[in-house]
Amino acid sequence: DAKTTQPPSMDCAEGRAANLPCNHSTISGNEYVYWYRQIHSQGPQYIIHGLKNNETNEMASLIITEDRKSSTLILPHATLRDTAVYYCIVRAMDTGRRALTFGSGTRLQVQP
Amino acid sequence: GAVVSQHPSWVICKSGTSVKIECRSLDFQATTMFWYRQFPKQSLMLMATSNEGSKATYEQGVEKDKFLINHASLTLSTLTVTSAHPEDSSFYICSASGAFLSYEQYFGPGTRLTVT
Repeated sequence: DAKTTQPPSMDCAEGRAANLPCNHSTISGNEYVYWYRQIHSQGPQYIIHGLKNNETNEMASLIITEDRKSSTLILPHATLRDTAVYYCIVRAMDTGRRALTFGSGTRLQVQP
Repeated sequence: GAVVSQHPSWVICKSGTSVKIECRSLDFQATTMFWYRQFPKQSLMLMATSNEGSKATYEQGVEKDKFLINHASLTLSTLTVTSAHPEDSSFYICSASGAFLSYEQYFGPGTRLTVT
């Protein structure tokens, strides 16, 4: 799976949009971009994933650049409960028998 | 969505004893389960992959005789930490995937192990 690079930490004001970047310049054509988050002392929570089109669900939006070398996770109206470590993971859609590989992630602190 | 549970959520044990952690897929059949370990302020590190009915595959550096993994059914995997030591204190997280869920991984809430 391709390697990803994320900033170690970010701050965001409550109620504002949080934009979390991820670089995955070596991504292959069959690899998806996944985002998970981990709130303190909990298991990772799936947020969203995409291949090349922008995606939106009830939690967030995922913007993938046209060359697919980077992406941005957008939390449109951040709340204090969004404070967590956010992981960007690139993974091929195969049989799923390989585990997700977690990098260091971005620690998002939402400020009141 | 698919739900994965872990039991216990936290456990304290004495050095030299063994501890068993259960991971259950509550509403789907998990053909593959993964066990991760997370030390404070660090990321999740994969320990082992287990396929139902087969022996687990351990990552390099993980002692298979110390961390016993059993995946005897499609809804249950167990991790037994044998002869626990204080350095085994960590947050243990399992995830599960199955064919009918397009092999997406669903994570349990984690188990906090403290060895005194």
